[in-house]
Amino acid sequence: ETGVTQTPRHLVMGMTNKKSLKCEQHLGHNAMYWYKQSAKKPLELMFVYNFKEQTENNSVPSRFSPECPNSSHLFLHLHTLQPEDSALYLCASSQARQPDTQYFGPGTRLTVL
Amino acid sequence: EDQVTQSPEALRLQEGESSSLNCSYTVSGLRGLFWYRQDPGKGPEFLFTLYSAGEEKEKERLKATLTKKESFLHITAPKPEDSATYLCAVQDSGLDAGNNRKLIWGLGTSLAVNP
Repeated sequence: ETGVTQTPRHLVMGMTNKKSLKCEQHLGHNAMYWYKQSAKKPLELMFVYNFKEQTENNSVPSRFSPECPNSSHLFLHLHTLQPEDSALYLCASSQARQPDTQYFGPGTRLTVL
Repeated sequence: EDQVTQSPEALRLQEGESSSLNCSYTVSGLRGLFWYRQDPGKGPEFLFTLYSAGEEKEKERLKATLTKKESFLHITAPKPEDSATYLCAVQDSGLDAGNNRKLIWGLGTSLAVNP
């Protein structure tokens, strides 16, 4: 595997379900990000981890819970989501000390019923 | 307020018809400007980073340029495979509360190239 991978690619869940999104980067980067992409809106930064430490929580509802066990893996745990949470969830990584170019995974298309 | 505006919102070209996409920005201090390409249902693919006014970068049929208030992505003799949404993002030189340099994203330009 190369670059940034995300699983699953598609997810349909009910509002009472609990699910997790997984991201893995193979670029040797130290910073990882979760973004939400909705139609007609710019990319929304959700969480940032630098060297496994969370350095950004962009006023994200608590029904989204991130986890970063090491600098190569990032999870987004989902519970009791709302239909408006349906979106494309993107993971990205970059070099932490030069947080310039971010490289993105293919995304998880989430649908909340 | 930091802002990134891309125009046009959508553009339809004939194969071989050159054109330009615009990204205008307002930030207190520019650290970098980024161009990405995004295909439907996929993540953004990095194209270019520009750091200072006057800088230019090229990749195949694409050329990105930067001034103090805007950037252009020039597409020369486009092909149908160039059809995608092109995203622009700007990084401010300041740090936020988490010591991060956030990217400020535009809404993108949706490009369709007809054969």
